[in-house]
Amino acid sequence: DTAVSQTPKYLVTQMGNDKSIKCEQNLGHDTMYWYKQDSKKFLKIMFSYNNKELIINETVPNRFSPKSPDKAHLNLHINSLELGDSAVYFCASSHTGGSGATNEKLFFGSGTQLSVL
Amino acid sequence: RKEVEQDPGPFNVPEGATVAFNCTYSNSASQSFFWYRQDCRKEPKLLMSVYSSGNEDGRFTAQLNRASQYISLLIRDSKLSDSATYLCVVNSGGYQKVTFGTGTKLQVIP
Repeated sequence: DTAVSQTPKYLVTQMGNDKSIKCEQNLGHDTMYWYKQDSKKFLKIMFSYNNKELIINETVPNRFSPKSPDKAHLNLHINSLELGDSAVYFCASSHTGGSGATNEKLFFGSGTQLSVL
Repeated sequence: RKEVEQDPGPFNVPEGATVAFNCTYSNSASQSFFWYRQDCRKEPKLLMSVYSSGNEDGRFTAQLNRASQYISLLIRDSKLSDSATYLCVVNSGGYQKVTFGTGTKLQVIP
């Protein structure tokens, strides 16, 4: 069984469209994340949610809106897609126990390759 | 200075060789450290945590040098299957404020 699953795996769309990526984890973790990996392979955190509450919101355009309906899900909605949004988006989860523990390991989904044409 | 820096490589080594990567970090208050492995077009996967006392897992040894603010990964007896990008990860705060290095690419050659 897949621990962190995200869909779709590939997303090809036109500039200006709105799209969503879904993520679900069945590990019982309380913290979930969205990371972006650009063409230079640099992996950068976008958002972090702990128990459905936004914890980290890095400098990301407000066209990106995460939504966490429950602890096991963290979806990413992107409005008005731009060419520069093309990248691989990874969902991840970890267990922090609500204390912000700093020694927890991240488990990643298999990624969503977004191509904006 | 970048928060986490790695030599991007590629490191091309023959099978059976020993290879070592270093990773430097800028925040002296960093609390936890990891090495992740990422295969081409795949997600990163945890390889090992890095403890202050150093730790070993089979052919892999990780070490932390807080004074000089770097961590290292040593791979002995390299296998073809070790070919991947190795990502250094540093956690500098609560709630998983983690920073990834850009990765070091390793290519093991037959």
